[in-house]
Amino acid sequence: DAGVTQSPTHLIKTRGQQVTLRCSPKSGHDTVSWYQQALGQGPQFIFQYYEEEERQRGNFPDRFSGHQFPNYSSELNVNALLLGDSALYLCASSRRGSSGANVLTFGAGSRLTVL
Amino acid sequence: GDSVTQMEGPVTLSEEAFLTINCTYTATGYPSLFWYVQYPGEGLQLLLKATKADDKGSNKGFEATYRKETTSFHLEKGSVQVSDSAVYFCALSSSGAGSYQLTFGKGTKLSVIP
Repeated sequence: DAGVTQSPTHLIKTRGQQVTLRCSPKSGHDTVSWYQQALGQGPQFIFQYYEEEERQRGNFPDRFSGHQFPNYSSELNVNALLLGDSALYLCASSRRGSSGANVLTFGAGSRLTVL
Repeated sequence: GDSVTQMEGPVTLSEEAFLTINCTYTATGYPSLFWYVQYPGEGLQLLLKATKADDKGSNKGFEATYRKETTSFHLEKGSVQVSDSAVYFCALSSSGAGSYQLTFGKGTKLSVIP
């Protein structure tokens, strides 16, 4: 049973560019959340998707956007990249409505470096 | 807003030593509390959780008790191994509409030496 898979694992961009990160949730999960983890820090919540809609959003600018597809997979898009966007981006999935709904399964992350 | 404060690292222990990593929180309502572990080059893995006051979460020899009166959820292990070397994150999930959003502490890096 595959867990959460993310791609790409590493990527390098320059300031002002745009990036798209992808996530496939764990089998049986329908909710996808994205987190940003800066070096030496704890993950910070970006947003969460359920039923193809953004349900909740953290304190991130509109440059960060996302999408969820009918198969529950998700994308995170970041426009107009800044040096400060360099971080590990983590995708996490869960199953809404289950007793363990707030127990997240995390992927290994996509390491973004902005030069 | 919600916040989690955990002891600063890094923490270096000898094998078989006793481990405590302190964690306190601020939250509205009755949050669920978690410890996640991150091994080098990997994503976060759930270590243990507790959903109400006085619950004790345990896994792989690690334990933490949900203390509402002190708003704490300290992680303990009686005898650490080299394989426990990792970064440990305390986190909370608030009740209500935010139940799927985790608020994390900054993490505590543990190194266990033989």
